[in-house]
This record gives sequence, structure tokens and C-alpha cells, in this order.
Amino acid sequence: AQSVTQPDIHITVSEGASLELRCNYSYGATPYLFWYVQSPGQGLQLLLKYFSGDTLVQGIKGFEAEFKRSQSSFNLRKPSVHWSDAAEYFCAVGAGSGGGADGLTFGKGTHLIIQP
Amino acid sequence: DGGITQSPKYLFRKEGQNVTLSCEQNLNHDAMYWYRQDPGQGLRLIYYSQIVNDFQKGDIAEGYSVSREKKESFPLTVTSAQKNPTAFYLCASSRNTGGNPGYTFGSGTRLTVV
Repeated sequence: AQSVTQPDIHITVSEGASLELRCNYSYGATPYLFWYVQSPGQGLQLLLKYFSGDTLVQGIKGFEAEFKRSQSSFNLRKPSVHWSDAAEYFCAVGAGSGGGADGLTFGKGTHLIIQP
Repeated sequence: DGGITQSPKYLFRKEGQNVTLSCEQNLNHDAMYWYRQDPGQGLRLIYYSQIVNDFQKGDIAEGYSVSREKKESFPLTVTSAQKNPTAFYLCASSRNTGGNPGYTFGSGTRLTVV
């Protein structure tokens, strides 16, 4: 069975500083990987996804992620964070044919705090 | 605009009662999913359906039931057998075609047992 680990429960970053959120996955085949963001009491918004091809993926809001098969990682990065980036971030891996037909497996999330 | 509508946004249930959470999508997606979210636990899959009149159990299906009579609708019933139902429930749908699924999430229903 697949699994996702987000090692950092909380991360605090100063506004304007760079950000990296870590994600490690366990999956027997080529994974379909996702990063989502959630504001309090809201649903999830897709930031970016990786299925194949270029291992550096660009997403919305200036985020990017790099797939590293040798490290089983899919870390999320942003060169300069804004106060509006404060939220909960989830990494997920898709199972089943079609990259998630059987649903997504999520990490437990990383809570991002932005210091002024 | 297309999207997923979950209702109600807040729901209160007395112990021993069944309650049904609504999820409707107008995206023409084939697949629909229900997740449960608890603080510090991420999202866990309850049930999913890839086609009308068919659905499968996810990781935490005990105490829940679903139906998929229409492509657009995938209601979730939280039964009295669910011992700890207080949580945030999220519905999602997916194109699920061509190896490039596009997942869309609803805005959630917060269920509280009183």
C-alpha cells in the first residue's frame, strides 16, 4: 500500500524568505503526485501535480516541486513567500489506474506560518 | 461555473442518529470520493465510486454508507454505528481518464455530534 510522509508538522518562515516543504512517498510503481493547499474551514486547492516527464513541475501562486525518484521525494518550493501563503499544505499520491482512480493517499499536512 | 457543492456547511447530530451529507457536481466527472479530515491526520478515504450504481470501500468505511444513483450525486450517510463521527468531510470528483486525473474538491461539511 502507498503512503506519504510530511516530516514537518509546522514550519515558520519570514515573509519574503524562501520555502521548502518536504514530502516523501512510498509506492510500488511510478507515482502520480500532488500538492494541495487548504485555508481554514475550506476545501483543497490544487497547487501542482506530477505524472511523468520533466521532474521539475511548475504550479500556481509561484510554487514549484521537484520529483526525485532516487529519494522518493516530491518537495514543494517557493522562492519568496507572502503572508497570504499561510495555510495547511498536503502532499498526496494517487493509486490505481489513471493515477488515482482508487483515490488519493494524503500526508498529514504541514502548517505554514508566515512571520511579518 | 462548474464545481462541487457540499451541503450543509455545518451539521449537528445527536448521538444515535443517522445523517446524510450531500455532494453534487456539475463537472461531468465519472468518479467521486468522500474523505474524512481530523486535526493532524490529513485526509482519509471513506468511499469512492468510479461509475453510477457502483462504489468501493476506502480505508475507513465502517459506520458509513453511500449511494450513486446519478452521475452528479454521491451522498454520504453517517450512521449510528460510526463511534466518532465529529469531523470535517470533503467530497471530491475526478475526470479519471487518460492517466491524467483532475481532482476537484468541495468546500466541506463540518459534522458535530451533540
